[in-house]
Amino acid sequence: AQTVTQSQPEMSVQEAETVTLSCTYDTSESNYYLFWYKQPPSRQMILVIRQEAYKQQNATENRFSVNFQKAAKSFSLKISDSQLGDTAMYFCAFAYSGAGSYQLTFGKGTKLSVIP
Amino acid sequence: GAVVSQHPSRVICKSGTSVKIECRSLDFQATTMFWYRQFPKKSLMLMATSNEGSKATYEQGVEKDKFLINHASLTLSTLTVTSAHPEDSSFYICSAEGLGRDEQYFGPGTRLTVT
Repeated sequence: AQTVTQSQPEMSVQEAETVTLSCTYDTSESNYYLFWYKQPPSRQMILVIRQEAYKQQNATENRFSVNFQKAAKSFSLKISDSQLGDTAMYFCAFAYSGAGSYQLTFGKGTKLSVIP
Repeated sequence: GAVVSQHPSRVICKSGTSVKIECRSLDFQATTMFWYRQFPKKSLMLMATSNEGSKATYEQGVEKDKFLINHASLTLSTLTVTSAHPEDSSFYICSAEGLGRDEQYFGPGTRLTVT
């Protein structure tokens, strides 16, 4: 079974600063995907960034980037130039094609507050 | 593209009644749909996985007779909460995975309140 651990229940960052959210996972699979999802107060799940395990290069999406350490099974999210709209719950998630579909396993989430 | 809708967004029902929640993929065919439950300030808990035309696969601890899932077409899955009780009050989220798409697209969620 896969597990995803987010060790920071809550974090805060000043507007325009940089913050890093931590995520570790455990799996015996070799081919898998990792995701960061954002859930703002509206509760709509929004995909922030994804990483394929077979790719060594860290994924980036504008102000969002990841530090993927496959051997350490670590997948942290860095948010640069934090904006007030980044205030949300952030969930790290793992997926692999077990039985033909990509089931997601979520971490418990990190509540991020961006302070003006 | 890849829009998933849910209806209703909010529903209040009386204890003992049944309520149906619809999940639709609007611009793609969803070969697989997932149903999650989320308690306040908690993570998403997978309830079941459904494939079009076949029976849903329920996660351990989820009562299949209470949470009826139907995936009758490639664009629609429904979750029916039967004989609802106050403890079934929660936020229910669906997601859909399309053929050849290695990603889930989430609906906006449905808040169920059982009085």
